[in-house]
Amino acid sequence: GESVGLHLPTLSVQEGDNSIINCAYSNSASDYFIWYKQESGKGPQFIIDIRSNMDKRQGQRVTVLLNKTVKHLSLQIAATQPGDSAVYFCAENAGNNRKLIWGLGTSLAVNP
Amino acid sequence: GAGVSQSPSNKVTEKGKDVELRCDPISGHTALYWYRQSLGQGLEFLIYFQGNSAPDKSGLPSDRFSAERTGGSVSTLTIQRTQQEDSAVYLCASSLMATDTQYFGPGTRLTVL
Repeated sequence: GESVGLHLPTLSVQEGDNSIINCAYSNSASDYFIWYKQESGKGPQFIIDIRSNMDKRQGQRVTVLLNKTVKHLSLQIAATQPGDSAVYFCAENAGNNRKLIWGLGTSLAVNP
Repeated sequence: GAGVSQSPSNKVTEKGKDVELRCDPISGHTALYWYRQSLGQGLEFLIYFQGNSAPDKSGLPSDRFSAERTGGSVSTLTIQRTQQEDSAVYLCASSLMATDTQYFGPGTRLTVL
């Protein structure tokens, strides 16, 4: 069935390096994509979103890239910090579908 | 402003007992969602409320699970005759509109002994 999946279940980076977390989606009707960060013991927190009419969107130290041709979404974190250690989820919404489709999550570990 | 709150934060119960989990969404948010998350897993959709429309219950795993949303605000998720496999973190989220960003509460960790 249609789903959102992540290429890398775990990612380990050095503090100060850039991190890239990838996500693949298969529903071509999806027009809204969101990245969430979930720290241990907490609920997911919104990081950044992007609509399908955009290819790139930047936030504070984070950038989301959307490649609709290959149905690929990525989250880039610049100068990764220990506080960035968490599980990152991508999610998609296909217009009239009211429910977000969630990926399995990628665990990011930042080494000092 | 206040975010989504959930209570209790932790609940330990015995197999066969009923439990009620509460969610207070952000004021003014018309959409409310319940999810379940097992340890180290992703989010499992349970149920969705949007305004006065009939809720989308397609994610409820069995008829032991039910939820209601009173007055378009507070929601209660009820699990009857709890089983050990019900043990998980139950997360509530709300959004201004159905297709907007969801804001999550801290979750209720349910442990069924």
